[in-house]
Amino acid sequence: KAGVTQTPRYLIKTRGQQVTLSCSPISGHRSVSWYQQTPGQGLQFLFEYFSETQRNKGNFPGRFSGRQFSNSRSEMNVSTLELGDSALYLCASSLEGTPGQFFGPGTRLTVL
Amino acid sequence: GDSVTQMEGPVTLSEEAFLTINCTYTATGYPSLFWYVQYPGEGLQLLLKATKADDKGSNKGFEATYRKETTSFHLEKGSVQVSDSAVYFCALSDLMGAQKLVFGQGTRLTINP
Repeated sequence: KAGVTQTPRYLIKTRGQQVTLSCSPISGHRSVSWYQQTPGQGLQFLFEYFSETQRNKGNFPGRFSGRQFSNSRSEMNVSTLELGDSALYLCASSLEGTPGQFFGPGTRLTVL
Repeated sequence: GDSVTQMEGPVTLSEEAFLTINCTYTATGYPSLFWYVQYPGEGLQLLLKATKADDKGSNKGFEATYRKETTSFHLEKGSVQVSDSAVYFCALSDLMGAQKLVFGQGTRLTINP
């Protein structure tokens, strides 16, 4: 089975712009979660989608949003980018009822 | 809320040394526990997991036992290799809610030949 894929792998944006990141889960996985990884804050949960519905949300401002499509693919959007949004954004998928998530390689976002 | 605390790094060992990375957790329910590993420039890989008290997770020579009485899930390996150099994350998941992992801060491990 193919693993979790994320596109693009690298992005450079300027402050005030918006960005959309994409994630394709492992086939058959309907839960997709997003995490932000920074040297200072570590790994922090952004949100989780299951069957096109946001099921859980972390403590991030409303500039961070996401959605999930009927094929379980997910996108996350960050509007009005700030320097502090520079991070590795990781997507993970999982099988409902089975402990453990499987991560993609991440999208490295740099905000200048 | 739930939290995970790992031993501070970085940790530097010689090849074939014994490895222990400590991990303790705080959770209101009965979480599942995980160890993930991250190699440079990559995402996280699930190394092992345990879903209930006294379960032992194992993979690639690594082991960890779910100790409810001490709320711990320490990672061990009997003989490390240079290829084990990476950052290791302990994490928990409370499946009473959604699929959400709470991570420790990570421990950077370097193995010298």
